[in-house]
Amino acid sequence: GAGVSQSPSNKVTEKGKDVELRCDPISGHTALYWYRQSLGQGLEFLIYFQGNSAPDKSGLPSDRFSAERTGGSVSTLTIQRTQQEDSAVYLCASRVAGLAGQETQYFGPGTRLLVL
Amino acid sequence: AQKVTQAQTEISVVEKEDVTLDCVYETRDTTYYLFWYKQPPSGELVFLIRRNSFDEQYEISGRYSWNFQKSTSSFNFTITASQVVDSAVYFCALTTSGSARQLTFGSGTQLTVLP
Repeated sequence: GAGVSQSPSNKVTEKGKDVELRCDPISGHTALYWYRQSLGQGLEFLIYFQGNSAPDKSGLPSDRFSAERTGGSVSTLTIQRTQQEDSAVYLCASRVAGLAGQETQYFGPGTRLLVL
Repeated sequence: AQKVTQAQTEISVVEKEDVTLDCVYETRDTTYYLFWYKQPPSGELVFLIRRNSFDEQYEISGRYSWNFQKSTSSFNFTITASQVVDSAVYFCALTTSGSARQLTFGSGTQLTVLP
């Protein structure tokens, strides 16, 4: 079946602009995660969704970052007033939740964000 | 808090050699899950191995093996008869039994397999 998809693949924006990144999880996966990969910080957790709820937003670096998920499927990560330090690869992952043995997260190809 | 350490930054081997990547983890939880992921130049994180801490269950995708030692908190990963296509960055990761189960990653090991 189809894997996790993300769009756009690449995004170049100017400092101060808002950007939206999209994630389509694997069908039937109720848990969805956003991570960020940057040169200085490695792979960092941003936010977790279970269904449409986000019980863990502890990784969001500032209030300029927000995310939502609708219909228990597609998620959008929004970065407002982008800064150069937001430049990174944003990765989305999903997994089946609530079943024993279904702990593996499957990742999308990522969105490479460059803030000029 | 959890921590994952991959001390090897870069490794180079010649094709067909076996190669072992090291991973040491820290957690206070007794129920946790350990993973290896591969990141080729294309950028996507590809799942390779999952091992549960509390039973013998595991999940594996490919010609790999592991050495899990609770006593030393290590979860080493071996590629047998490496191939050039195995060249990638390999990440060790940990999650615990909390509801979110977000992954904590190591810093990665760049593996280069030379022809």
